[in-house]
Amino acid sequence: GQQLNQSPQSMFIQEGEDVSMNCTSSSIFNTWLWYKQDPGEGPVLLIALYKAGELTSNGRLTAQFGITRKDSFLNISASIPSDVGIYFCAGHRSGGSNYKLTFGKGTLLTVNP
Amino acid sequence: DGGITQSPKYLFRKEGQNVTLSCEQNLNHDAMYWYRQDPGQGLRLIYYSQIVNDFQKGDIAEGYSVSREKKESFPLTVTSAQKNPTAFYLCASSIVSAHEAFFGQGTRLTVV
Repeated sequence: GQQLNQSPQSMFIQEGEDVSMNCTSSSIFNTWLWYKQDPGEGPVLLIALYKAGELTSNGRLTAQFGITRKDSFLNISASIPSDVGIYFCAGHRSGGSNYKLTFGKGTLLTVNP
Repeated sequence: DGGITQSPKYLFRKEGQNVTLSCEQNLNHDAMYWYRQDPGQGLRLIYYSQIVNDFQKGDIAEGYSVSREKKESFPLTVTSAQKNPTAFYLCASSIVSAHEAFFGQGTRLTVV
């Protein structure tokens, strides 16, 4: 199955810094989702995007559906220690089978207090 | 509380034995999924089901089997034919018209 290209693979930042990560694909997607996974737990949905150009916020998190429909971005402002975890992008590819999501390999975020 | 429950959290089995992982949801979702996660990897789809008594193979179905006899339940059997079964297994569900999947807390399977 196709994978999304997610970058960076890992990030080490200081508490209070802003964070940016992104996901790209050669295919067009009609839905983008961003999840956070804590160690040993299941992913938790952070933000869902359904329209090209859409910009959605959830607290300190902001995500955008790229205008080309082939990418998405997640920003975290003023990071705190509990932001530590793996962030996954996921998408539903246009023309793909219903209900099948494609996942990126994740961005591991470490926040130093 | 509504949600998805996977059990057990940790599972140890001897090589060559079949093992069944449980997944139950009370969200009234029609669609359910099983994913496998390996260290440093994204989630790979094993099987999914859109409706009771129907399921489809995902990208890595070999060595696995599922059943969907009830809307709330979607158990996964890891058979002895699965060459590398040690992994973290995640169950998810969603409503029919949306792509947002909600996950259980996972089962870590270790085969020794």
